[in-house]
Amino acid sequence: AQTVTQSQPEMSVQEAETVTLSCTYDTSESDYYLFWYKQPPSRQMILVIRQEAYKQQNATENRFSVNFQKAAKSFSLKISDSQLGDAAMYFCAYRSAGGETSGSRLTFGEGTQLTVNP
Amino acid sequence: ETGVTQSPTHLIKTRGQQVTLRCSSQSGHNTVSWYQQALGQGPQFIFQYYREEENGRGNFPPRFSGLQFPNYSSELNVNALELDDSALYLCASSLDLGLAGVEETQYFGPGTRLLVL
Repeated sequence: AQTVTQSQPEMSVQEAETVTLSCTYDTSESDYYLFWYKQPPSRQMILVIRQEAYKQQNATENRFSVNFQKAAKSFSLKISDSQLGDAAMYFCAYRSAGGETSGSRLTFGEGTQLTVNP
Repeated sequence: ETGVTQSPTHLIKTRGQQVTLRCSSQSGHNTVSWYQQALGQGPQFIFQYYREEENGRGNFPPRFSGLQFPNYSSELNVNALELDDSALYLCASSLDLGLAGVEETQYFGPGTRLLVL
């Protein structure tokens, strides 16, 4: 079974600064997807960024980028120019690319609570 | 494009009762997944529905059951409620393209907060 670990329960950053959230995962599969979701106090889980394991290039979405290290099974999220609206719980998630027997389930980490200080 | 919606937003039940939670998938999506998120934890996969059939299940007892309707909306039913069932229940929809593959991203609804007393 796959596991996802987020070792930082809480992180804080000054507005306009850069912060990196860590995520490691354990899997025996070679093809899979990785995601970062953001969950603000409103509770809605919002997709931030996704990465296909077969792609070596790190995904980027505006101020959000990832550092995907497949051999190390590491998938960190970098937020540049942090804004007050970035404050939320951030979850790292894994999804197998197979999916035939287990469905396309997401396996989540425990989350990192990000605080942005003005 | 209509996003994922869930109802009700919150409800309170007593131990032993039964509850039904509802989810409407995003326009164009045909697959619905349900997750349970206990306070302070990451979501845990309950099950997924595709073409009105269960397509994968997590480590949840049979008193957690579901349905998917022809319009791809879904219900989560929980019988014999226990105190530990108190959680945020999240629904997510995605698009399974059949032989053409699976669109990998799941889009979430706002959740239903269930409190069992």
